[in-house]
Amino acid sequence: AAGVIQSPRHLIKEKRETATLKCYPIPRHDTVYWYQQGPGQDPQFLISFYEKMQSDKGSIPDRFSAQQFSDYHSELNMSSLELGDSALYFCASSLAGEQYNEQFFGPGTRLTVL
Amino acid sequence: EDQVTQSPEALRLQEGESSSLNCSYTVSGLRGLFWYRQDPGKGPEFLFTLYSAGEEKEKERLKATLTKKESFLHITAPKPEDSATYLCAVLGSGGSNYKLTFGKGTLLTVNP
Repeated sequence: AAGVIQSPRHLIKEKRETATLKCYPIPRHDTVYWYQQGPGQDPQFLISFYEKMQSDKGSIPDRFSAQQFSDYHSELNMSSLELGDSALYFCASSLAGEQYNEQFFGPGTRLTVL
Repeated sequence: EDQVTQSPEALRLQEGESSSLNCSYTVSGLRGLFWYRQDPGKGPEFLFTLYSAGEEKEKERLKATLTKKESFLHITAPKPEDSATYLCAVLGSGGSNYKLTFGKGTLLTVNP
């Protein structure tokens, strides 16, 4: 079965640079979520989109922005990168209207800021 | 605010030694409790959804149960390939309709 696709899988950036992470949801899924997971930490919710509109916002820094496009893929844009932004970034997708709103996660993008 | 506490933080078992992981939660209106398995450096893999107290679900050597305050993930006769971090998450009806709140996970190691 098709899964969530994330690219790139690994990304190395310098401080103050910009990064763009991409997420392609499971086909037919219309809701996308972004989570950040630091070393040894649980995933922390950043932001979500439903039908191309922002549906919820968590602990996402103002330096980050995201959007969902007409084909339902999503991009997380991160500017003025800081050392503390080094983490695994996961995208998840779900189908709105499903009773339990089960979220399926992608393999993640490992961002390292030097 | 929704809260999830998992215990123990780490658990070492011998192959074949059954045990249980605990997930205690506080949520305003539970819409779903989710169990995920996460291998190092990989995305959480969906295992189960539980919705109402008394509900049980099984998958191979895993069985998840739910009460009004906690969930258990029972592992029967585990194998080394069951070694992973098991994450519990809740989706509440108060506030966000979309945000999963995770516990910090239980790191399970099964020795051959």
